Amino acid sequence: GENVEQHPSTLSVQEGDSAVIKCTYSDSASNYFPWYKQELGKRPQLIIDIRSNVGEKKDQRIAVTLNKTAKHFSLHITETQPEDSAVYFCAANDYKLSFGAGTTVTVRA
Amino acid sequence: DTGVSQNPRHKITKRGQNVTFRCDPISEHNRLYWYRQTLGQGPEFLTYFQNEAQLEKSRLLSDRFSAERPKGSFSTLEIQRTEQGDSAMYLCASSLALGGLGSYNEQFFGPGTRLTVL
Repeated sequence: GENVEQHPSTLSVQEGDSAVIKCTYSDSASNYFPWYKQELGKRPQLIIDIRSNVGEKKDQRIAVTLNKTAKHFSLHITETQPEDSAVYFCAANDYKLSFGAGTTVTVRA
Repeated sequence: DTGVSQNPRHKITKRGQNVTFRCDPISEHNRLYWYRQTLGQGPEFLTYFQNEAQLEKSRLLSDRFSAERPKGSFSTLEIQRTEQGDSAMYLCASSLALGGLGSYNEQFFGPGTRLTVL
């Protein structure tokens, strides 16, 4: 089955700086790579996703890149704000989601 | 609220008791997934349905677990003879899959049911 590894496990950034989270996956059949944000005690919420026929996707301050050859994808958050503090999960999917272990992002004011 | 809903939100039970959780997906979604999340970890896939058919079960889903989606709408997840290791957040997600089995689809999660087994 699919195995997704996510790094780093924790990330502390100064407000206004950028944050980068990296994930690798094992199954070359995976063709969909979503990112979820989960605040304490709340449901995971989809913030951005990328499909295997695209190398990069951007939505305001958030961008995701995908390298299918190397089987890795990354989340980039620019101009971080305190409300970006949360746990972020990457996932890889063909028809079910396999999640990474999560990255706890803390944005220092 | 037109999102995915789950009930109950919290359940405390004693070891050996049976529990049942309910998930109501987004109404037009044909796929429904169950995941389990323990503290500090990402959600782990348990099982999923396309309409009323249960198409896959993870090896994490022991024979004490059973899930149904009788009319292709809401789903229930039952755990029999609960053990302390079953304590976790049980998340339901739904999606609208337009293609075949291998098609990808955005999954929307419910708020989860937090199970505590004493």
